[in-house]
Amino acid sequence: NAGVMQNPRHLVRRRGQEARLRCSPVKGHSHVYWYRQLPEEGLKFMVYLQKENIIDESGMPKERFSAEFPKEGPSILRIQQVVRGDSAAYFCASKPGTPSSGNTIYFGEGSWLTVV
Amino acid sequence: DQQVKQNSPSLSVQEGRISILNCDYTNSMFDYFLWYKKYPAEGPTFLISISSIKDKNEDGRFTVFLNKSAKHLSLHIVPSQPGDSAVYFCAASAVGNQFYFGTGTSLTVIP
Repeated sequence: NAGVMQNPRHLVRRRGQEARLRCSPVKGHSHVYWYRQLPEEGLKFMVYLQKENIIDESGMPKERFSAEFPKEGPSILRIQQVVRGDSAAYFCASKPGTPSSGNTIYFGEGSWLTVV
Repeated sequence: DQQVKQNSPSLSVQEGRISILNCDYTNSMFDYFLWYKKYPAEGPTFLISISSIKDKNEDGRFTVFLNKSAKHLSLHIVPSQPGDSAVYFCAASAVGNQFYFGTGTSLTVIP
């Protein structure tokens, strides 16, 4: 999947714990997207980030969820006080920042969160 | 509000025949469209894209057609192979914005 690295691939958390999902984009990509796929559903947009900037967070739940993409290091999707309904596959995707580089986003392998 | 729709949850095709997957969208501002293929427990893999200035784009066995007036696009796979069995997602975006995905169509190619 074109070099987008996500970890952990699988994460089990008890209700009330915190989950942190990391995403390293393709080298040179400065835009990151997070999507969630609930069981038997499609890909739902969560947040779109540029380095040190949130471009669009209209898909993020208002509470417990946050995302960042710092100047250095991976993008982090953080879920506080997890509940069973947060169990899903979380996919990160990236694209270059320059329009001439194309408008295709490339996905990582995903992080599967299970809340018990 | 589902801006990108894939109305067929599943499709079965004989090996060697053509697979046609359909996608409809509602937002006339969309100017870039993509198809992704996804196997279970893996991330979506980019297949093919098309800009709104074109009505057809071809890459090997895969061809995407865009009908802007009908707000409809389709992916043709010919000839279909068993390895093509997967879930296919269409996606659409406007410049600088998020990518909207359909709910996916599960394609089964029967040997």
